[in-house]
Parts: sequence; C-alpha cells; structure tokens
Amino acid sequence: DAGVTQSPTHLIKTRGQHVTLRCSPISGHKSVSWYQQVLGQGPQFIFQYYEKEERGRGNFPDRFSARQFPNYSSELNVNALLLGDSALYLCASSLEGQGSRKLFFGSGTQLSVL
Amino acid sequence: AQTVTQSQPEMSVQEAETVTLSCTYDTSESDYYLFWYKQPPSRQMILVIRQEAYKQQNATENRFSVNFQKAAKSFSLKISDSQLGDAAMYFCAYRRGGGSYIPTFGRGTSLIVHP
Repeated sequence: DAGVTQSPTHLIKTRGQHVTLRCSPISGHKSVSWYQQVLGQGPQFIFQYYEKEERGRGNFPDRFSARQFPNYSSELNVNALLLGDSALYLCASSLEGQGSRKLFFGSGTQLSVL
Repeated sequence: AQTVTQSQPEMSVQEAETVTLSCTYDTSESDYYLFWYKQPPSRQMILVIRQEAYKQQNATENRFSVNFQKAAKSFSLKISDSQLGDAAMYFCAYRRGGGSYIPTFGRGTSLIVHP
C-alpha cells in the first residue's frame, strides 16, 4: 500500500501569491492533519480534518485554510504569502481522529517564498 | 498552554553504544500521550515510540526505550546499540487525551552516529 503522498515536493512562490498543497492519505485513513515546520524547529499543528469536518485548528492566521474531500484527500491553501511562510509543510493521516492514534506522515512540501 | 522542551540541540554517539535524548514537558492535564518521532533527511516523520500517561510501565520498542517520570514531567529516549541508520532529528511530542488532537512538538535533537 502507498504511504501518505504529498504534492508538489518543492515549490517556489513570491510574496502575495497563493499556494495549494495536496495530500493523499493512506487508503482507509479518514483523518488528515497539516503541520508547518520552519527550519530548525519542530512541526507546528495547523489543521486536522476527520470525515471531511474540521476537528482542530492551530494558531495560524485566516490566510491558511484547508478542506478534505469525499475520498479523504486534503488541500491546504495559503493566501497572500509572506516570507515567513517559507517552511516544510507536512501532512499526516490516521485511521481515526482520536489523539491516541498513530500518525503516518508524508515527506512534505518544501515551500520557498521569495 | 502545553510546552515541550528538548534541551539538547545535538547529540553524538559511537556506533554500538547507548545514547539518551532528553525531553521535558509542562501540562496540568492527567490524561495525555507522549511520543518520540524520528525525522531522517528524507523529511518523513516516523513514530519511534509512544507512551500513555496512565501507564506506569516504560514503553519499549526493540532498541528504543523511554524513561517516563510523570511527577518530574520528563520523557527521555534511550537508544541502545546505536546504528548508523539512527542518525536523524528526533522530536519529542505531547498530545492531550480526551479526544483532543492538537500535538505539541519540541524543537528537536540532532543525533549524529559515528562509525
């Protein structure tokens, strides 16, 4: 079975643009979460979706939004990009939305904002 | 708010020896989970070991074990018989129980394994 897949792997944008990152969970997993990992730091939680509903939101501005589709894949959208949005964006999936469940991570999308 | 502190930015170990990575956390909750994740250069975060706060017994996964001191809010990771493939960033993480999903990660410790 394929693991969590994220696309694209790398992306370069300029300030003010918007970006869409995509994530496909492991088959059968209904929960997807998104994280931002700035260089030299640990991942920071952005969103969690379970059964297409938002279940958790981290401390990020409204420029960040996400959604989950009927096939459980997910998109993370960031509008009006800032230099500080440059980071590795990780997606993780799990069978259910419970906090105890094991997370399976993708290899991330490296976003560079110039 | 919960915080997770990893005070060792970098650690090194000789192949086949043992190394311990430190982690402390701050919480007022009694129901929570603690995790250690490994992030190799491939960038994919891999779960190494998990500990439920209500369990007194320390978790073990092959060469990896933890020392969970609930009163001291300490959660260290011991890697025995270190291998070159263990070289990576290691992140300690906390997640509150009771249906909460939001995890908190530490800043990570870079582990270097010398042959």
